[in-house]
Amino acid sequence: GNSVTQMEGPVTLSEEAFLTINCTYTATGYPSLFWYVQYPGEGLQLLLKATKADDKGSNKGFEATYRKETTSFHLEKGSVQVSDSAVYFCALSAIANAGGTSYGKLTFGQGTILTVHP
Amino acid sequence: DAGVTQSPTHLIKTRGQQVTLRCSPKSGHDTVSWYQQALGQGPQFIFQYYEEEERQRGNFPDRFSGHQFPNYSSELNVNALLLGDSALYLCASSLRPGPSYEQYFGPGTRLTVT
Repeated sequence: GNSVTQMEGPVTLSEEAFLTINCTYTATGYPSLFWYVQYPGEGLQLLLKATKADDKGSNKGFEATYRKETTSFHLEKGSVQVSDSAVYFCALSAIANAGGTSYGKLTFGQGTILTVHP
Repeated sequence: DAGVTQSPTHLIKTRGQQVTLRCSPKSGHDTVSWYQQALGQGPQFIFQYYEEEERQRGNFPDRFSGHQFPNYSSELNVNALLLGDSALYLCASSLRPGPSYEQYFGPGTRLTVT
């Protein structure tokens, strides 16, 4: 079945440091890939997405590139801020077809806790 | 533009009881999915509703059931509650059910079973 593996956390960085959170996946076909962020006590917010190989998703200084050859979608940011402290989830959405309609369900990694200190 | 809303925010139930959680999708969205997030874990897919029918289901027992109404809002019902059902229940909506469509999440309902 489909699965997502994220790097072990938690990750602790100083402000303005470079961030990488690794994500690899296993899926049949060509899934869409997503990064979500969850702030304490809140639901998930979509951070960025990529729907085909070599696509780069970007938002708020975060970037991730869909690498089919390595089945990876690593999250990067050049200079983190204290306000980036949160839990980050990598997820994939794979196709399930029924009756001529395509359906997608999200499969999430276990999450990576990021703490940024001033 | 209102996002995805869920009610109630918190709920405490006793083992064996039944619970109903509610979700209103983002304006213009017709697809609703439900996820269970245990503490410290990633969300797990429960099921997805489109055109008032359950279209996909994750590895959850039949105690978990749902419904979608003509206005696209949805309910999640859990019968015979177990302690292990304690979790954050997240509702997500999307413009269409396809895998490339972004799913937008509500703030969740925190269910505690005692």
